[in-house]
Amino acid sequence: GENVEQHPSTLSVQEGDSAVIKCTYSDSASNYFPWYKQELGKRPQLIIDIRSNVGEKKDQRIAVTLNKTAKHFSLHITETQPEDSAVYFCAASKGSNYQLIWGAGTKLIIKP
Amino acid sequence: EADIYQTPRYLVIGTGKKITLECSQTMGHDKMYWYQQDPGMELHLIHYSYGVNSTEKGDLSSESTVSRIRTEHFPLTLESARPSHTSQYLCASTEGSNEKLFFGSGTQLSVL
Repeated sequence: GENVEQHPSTLSVQEGDSAVIKCTYSDSASNYFPWYKQELGKRPQLIIDIRSNVGEKKDQRIAVTLNKTAKHFSLHITETQPEDSAVYFCAASKGSNYQLIWGAGTKLIIKP
Repeated sequence: EADIYQTPRYLVIGTGKKITLECSQTMGHDKMYWYQQDPGMELHLIHYSYGVNSTEKGDLSSESTVSRIRTEHFPLTLESARPSHTSQYLCASTEGSNEKLFFGSGTQLSVL
């Protein structure tokens, strides 16, 4: 079945540096790729998503890139800040009538 | 305020008890989901519903059951709780073709 692999499991970066989290999916029919952020003790929240007809999407300091040929997509956070510390989850789906397949999560630590 | 609500927030019970975790959303969403998540770890889909009187099991084998008698309400029931059920349970919802998930704050269940 569909599988989403997420790396790294933990990422520690200096405040102000950039962070990159990568996900690989197995089903070439996947066409929707969201990223969720879950702060400690809080609920997951969608921060950015991308569809397969787009190669890159940006929203202020965060961006997502998609490589359909290689079947991977990445989250980029620039100028990291303490409030970026959280667990980030990627996911993939084939459309609204299919379930999201989740990555295992990346714990991002921002060092002061 | 339109949101998705879960009660209780925390629950500590003894083995063998029957419990119901409540989830209600006031956004008029037709699709609702239950996820099981250990803190900061992977999200596992245990049940979902695409509308009233429609329920399906997710990928994670679960001894729980759900019902969807009203659009806004999606309770999850454990007939006989065990220590292995100790986890966080997250409810989520989304509307029609929109794939953005809205999560509740979760119920942290501890079975002694």
